Amino acid sequence: DAGITQSPRHKVTETGTPVTLRCHQTENHRYMYWYRQDPGHGLRLIHYSYGVKDTDKGEVSDGYSVSRSKTEDFLLTLESATSSQTSVYFCAISERIQNIQYFGAGTRLSVL
Amino acid sequence: GQQLNQSPQSMFIQEGEDVSMNCTSSSIFNTWLWYKQDPGEGPVLLIALYKAGELTSNGRLTAQFGITRKDSFLNISASIPSDVGIYFCAGQGPQGGSEKLVFGKGMKLTVNP
Repeated sequence: DAGITQSPRHKVTETGTPVTLRCHQTENHRYMYWYRQDPGHGLRLIHYSYGVKDTDKGEVSDGYSVSRSKTEDFLLTLESATSSQTSVYFCAISERIQNIQYFGAGTRLSVL
Repeated sequence: GQQLNQSPQSMFIQEGEDVSMNCTSSSIFNTWLWYKQDPGEGPVLLIALYKAGELTSNGRLTAQFGITRKDSFLNISASIPSDVGIYFCAGQGPQGGSEKLVFGKGMKLTVNP
């Protein structure tokens, strides 16, 4: 298994509160990604990073921000959580953007 | 943006039956990937295809990269209960200038023992 750890694995929070999800990798891969998975939509890219402090938006980036201060850590922040952000969030890593992506086990987030 | 049409969306089969699923796109891809997701877990790579016409097997799984580069299929032979899960296809550019993965919406497989 690729060395990817997501934390927390489950979280319940209230509307309007800030939430940060963490992805930690031990593979030293350059690229890291955050996806959300919802019924009927499959996996949708939120943000990705191509190096320390280098990030870019995906197709569903509104309401989310990311940071990458170290190669091994990629944080996803919901500044003010909304019920529409209830979802399962997956982190993925790859050596190069053309390479296979390997996924973490996911974080299930419920915003009440 | 690029989209993948994955079909069927779900299948209910008896143990021992074969399963076929496919993905099609209006865009050309350089790479096709097939992932499986078990309940409560992240997607795990099953097969990677890099060349038009390529046929690759991994145990009971066989996948092919379509000649037009716009489609791929995955077959599972002699299904067993642990094949239950969601199967995703994913394609990767460069048509349209994006090299990020594009995912199908998944095919949920149920296997009755």
